[in-house]
Amino acid sequence: AQSVTQPDIHITVSEGASLELRCNYSYGATPYLFWYVQSPGQGLQLLLKYFSGDTLVQGIKGFEAEFKRSQSSFNLRKPSVHWSDAAEYFCAVGLSNDYKLSFGAGTTVTVRA
Amino acid sequence: DAGVTQSPTHLIKTRGQHVTLRCSPISGHKSVSWYQQVLGQGPQFIFQYYEKEERGRGNFPDRFSARQFPNYSSELNVNALLLGDSALYLCASSRTAYEQYFGPGTRLTVT
Repeated sequence: AQSVTQPDIHITVSEGASLELRCNYSYGATPYLFWYVQSPGQGLQLLLKYFSGDTLVQGIKGFEAEFKRSQSSFNLRKPSVHWSDAAEYFCAVGLSNDYKLSFGAGTTVTVRA
Repeated sequence: DAGVTQSPTHLIKTRGQHVTLRCSPISGHKSVSWYQQVLGQGPQFIFQYYEKEERGRGNFPDRFSARQFPNYSSELNVNALLLGDSALYLCASSRTAYEQYFGPGTRLTVT
């Protein structure tokens, strides 16, 4: 069955530490891949996207993600987190023969001082 | 450019009632999608409209309907509200089908 999995429900990191959020997908073809961030009570903001080409993509707010076809993964990273990065992060997948985005369940990031 | 706008911000309805949610896309975007986000979960796709035509529908009952107007704004209608319809309803607009930009959402509470 097609699915998007974010294995970590909640991650706590110290301010200034690095962050990595995992995303795995199960689809027959290589999908379009996205990471969104949602602050409490807010809508979703697009951090970055992968359609094709270079497997390391840069996004806003200092985030980057790496597409690994062999692992069906699209993990999000940030070298040094700021307190303002505390939010919920969603990985999303789109297919070329479909118009919807399918989202993972999300990972909540807490940043401690 | 202004982002995606949605109205109202919050809404409280009683079971059995009807609700209409509204969305205005980013200028130049012709596609609008609707998602339902239940607390603690990722958004679930409800509809996508492009040039006033329904282009996709998620696994939601017929109580959910939508339309898109000539100016590309959109309405989501939900009839016979159930407690389980309580959620954040998100609208997204896109120039292409896949790169979707979301509005702030409408928080619907059904009592």
